[in-house]
Amino acid sequence: DQQVKQNSPSLSVQEGRISILNCDYTNSMFDYFLWYKKYPAEGPTFLISISSIKDKNEDGRFTVFLNKSAKHLSLHIVPSQPGDSAVYFCAGVAQGAQKLVFGQGTRLTINP
Amino acid sequence: DSGVTQTPKHLITATGQRVTLRCSPRSGDLSVYWYQQSLDQGLQFLIQYYNGEERAKGNILERFSAQQFPDLHSELNLSSLELGDSALYFCASSPPGLNEKLFFGSGTQLSVL
Repeated sequence: DQQVKQNSPSLSVQEGRISILNCDYTNSMFDYFLWYKKYPAEGPTFLISISSIKDKNEDGRFTVFLNKSAKHLSLHIVPSQPGDSAVYFCAGVAQGAQKLVFGQGTRLTINP
Repeated sequence: DSGVTQTPKHLITATGQRVTLRCSPRSGDLSVYWYQQSLDQGLQFLIQYYNGEERAKGNILERFSAQQFPDLHSELNLSSLELGDSALYFCASSPPGLNEKLFFGSGTQLSVL
């Protein structure tokens, strides 16, 4: 039962352009969503989050959008930089639950 | 550096063997989580401990067990290893009252041959 799905295993974007990473979920009990970024040989690091009561959260070049009716969230990176090349995981968590449920990840490559 | 320490970084062993993965959480964090990342798979939640007690369990095999010690470090024991157990095993910790934000270690790459 894949509660969180990232249907694009990889994405390639030109430097300076916008990167859009997508994530779908099935669990209506999720009330908090997070994006993590992972470089090779390192553990995932927290990037940005959004509560289910909001539809947008912005932090510098990173913006997360949440569409609850569609059970869809997206991460926008603009402008994209070479250092953004990494694997991005989205995750959902339900109130009172003790675990984050992660998607499979999307490998983002920023081309110069 | 997340502050979460995992050892060893790499482990190569044979089928049928038993291994122990170790994790030291960030100073002050009481919760420890274990996740497994297999090829083409996301991060699969295995188990969580809070201040020494098991708090939540995911799809953890019966051949796997974990514990959290009084000094809050945790160990994940994998026994009767199979080829399919080859994966990257991550430990994470979270501050009290902030279960959503996890700080991950750099992982232990387990290869079962």
